[in-house]
Amino acid sequence: NAGVTQTPKFQVLKTGQSMTLQCAQDMNHEYMSWYRQDPGMGLRLIHYSVGAGITDQGEVPNGYNVSRSTTEDFPLRLLSAAPSQTSVYFCASSRRGGVEQYFGPGTRLTVT
Amino acid sequence: GENVEQHPSTLSVQEGDSAVIKCTYSDSASNYFPWYKQELGKRPQLIIDIRSNVGEKKDQRIAVTLNKTAKHFSLHITETQPEDSAVYFCAASIVGNAGNMLTFGGGTRLMVKP
Repeated sequence: NAGVTQTPKFQVLKTGQSMTLQCAQDMNHEYMSWYRQDPGMGLRLIHYSVGAGITDQGEVPNGYNVSRSTTEDFPLRLLSAAPSQTSVYFCASSRRGGVEQYFGPGTRLTVT
Repeated sequence: GENVEQHPSTLSVQEGDSAVIKCTYSDSASNYFPWYKQELGKRPQLIIDIRSNVGEKKDQRIAVTLNKTAKHFSLHITETQPEDSAVYFCAASIVGNAGNMLTFGGGTRLMVKP
């Protein structure tokens, strides 16, 4: 199993550009989520999904969109990047009935 | 929503000493409390967790205690080693609710001096 994978590992965007951060898991987990981690801070929840076709907002959803068309994939879209979105983004998954979250390796995003 | 506070933000100990990191949470419905270790540039790694029906859990040199009444939990690392140097995060969640989503504390940078 590859576990949770994320692409790209690094990305630099200009203000106003759009992009999609990819997240995939091969563990057949129902739950998936996106967190952002700003320097010197803990992770904060952006969006989450409890199954294909079901998504909801977390603590800091503004400026981000998600969709979940398959169990495996949970992409995060930045519609118009802003410098405040400079951060490290982690995707995570867990199974229904379980407790442990499995984190991906992260995507380091810089918006200039 | 849930709010998790973590102290101290930095902690420096001598190799072999013990380290204690404390967290408080606000939502009495929270019932799962994991601790993560994060090395520079890496993903958070689960090191120990505790459910609300347990007061203490131990795994070799690390232990976690939970006081539900006071809504606080602590991480204890004994016989610290240089490789324990990292940032540690506590978190809280309600298992089965909203996909087991975690609310994190702000982190503690632990430095173990040889």
